[in-house]
This record gives sequence, structure tokens and C-alpha cells, in this order.
Amino acid sequence: DTAVSQTPKYLVTQMGNDKSIKCEQNLGHDTMYWYKQDSKKFLKIMFSYNNKELIINETVPNRFSPKSPDKAHLNLHINSLELGDSAVYFCASSRPGQSRYGYTFGSGTRLTVV
Amino acid sequence: LAKTTQPISMDSYEGQEVNITCSHNNIATNDYITWYQQFPSQGPRFIIQGYKTKVTNEVASLFIPADRKSSTLSLPRVSLSDTAVYYCLVGDPLDGGFKTIFGAGTRLFVKA
Repeated sequence: DTAVSQTPKYLVTQMGNDKSIKCEQNLGHDTMYWYKQDSKKFLKIMFSYNNKELIINETVPNRFSPKSPDKAHLNLHINSLELGDSAVYFCASSRPGQSRYGYTFGSGTRLTVV
Repeated sequence: LAKTTQPISMDSYEGQEVNITCSHNNIATNDYITWYQQFPSQGPRFIIQGYKTKVTNEVASLFIPADRKSSTLSLPRVSLSDTAVYYCLVGDPLDGGFKTIFGAGTRLFVKA
């Protein structure tokens, strides 16, 4: 069983389009995240969300929005895609307080905006 | 925010022990040190976490000196499949992840 699964794995789209990336975790974790990994391989947190609180990295454009239909899902919606949005996006989850287990990441979604 | 500094890359041969050191001079009292491994086209994978002294699991050991301003990940007898990027993170597990910063990581190349 895949602990954190993301779909699609690859996404190629044109500038200006709106797209979504789905994420599901079956670990029973309380908190889910979205990270962006750029071409230089730096991983930057975009959002942190549990059923009580959404924390947004202030550097993330408001074209990006997380949507959580339930505790096990955190989808990423991106409006008006730009060339600079091309990157690999990782979903992750954790159970804060269980400090010895860190984050569990999905396998990533490679977004290419043309 | 606790920043980390790691070597950009390291080379090793199969069967050798590899030690990757991470500097984190402004580590806070509540911060833990966590190491992740990332293969191409995959998400980072948790390796080991510690607060002080030494932690060992089936994959690696983590050595943390008393001042906690650095840490060393030790991989015993590496194989070709250990070629990956290794990230050192410092942060409070209870902070919701927002203050835990991934650095550039260390690219480990294991040669036959």
C-alpha cells in the first residue's frame, strides 16, 4: 500500500491553464503539506494543513490554493499557470508529536508549463 | 530559523563507511535533527532522527555532539544503491513543519 500517493505523476500544460494535483495519505496522519522542488533541487514548503489550521508560506502566489475534502486528502489547485511554476511538487504528511517518524513524502508530480 | 550547511557532494566506493556532516550553529532547544534520503524521481525518505548523543537504526547512525551545533550521518558499508541526495533538517517536530528548512543536500556518489 502506498502511504502518500499523488496524481498525476507528470503534468504538461499550457500557460494560463488551471490544474489540480491530488494527494491522499493512508497513514492516519494529522497534518499534510505541499512542497515545491525547483530545478536546483531546493525543497520549499508551500502549505501546512491540519483539520484546524492552514499555514501558508507568504512567498507562495495566491494562484496556488490547497483544498482538503477530508483528513486524508490535500489537493493543490493552481490557477493561471505560469512558466515559473514548472517544478516537482511533493505532498507529504506527518503526525506532529510522533517526532521520531518525520515526514512521509509522495513520489512527486512533475509539472511542466509550456 | 535553524539553517544547515552540508557538503555539496561526496564520492565513495562500495563497502566503505560514509560520514556526512551537517552544521547547524543556531539550533534551538526544541529542535531535532532529521536526515532524509532522496533518489531521482522520488520524494525524500526519512532515514534517522535524533536530539543528542548517538542514535542508530538498521540503516544508519547519527552522531550529535554535546553542543548540538553539528551532526554526522554515518552510512556503514555503502552500496551503489545508496547513491542519492541526503538532506539534513533541523526543526521542532511540533511546529507543523513550517520552520523546518530543507537545505541543498549532499549528493553522494557511490562507485563500484
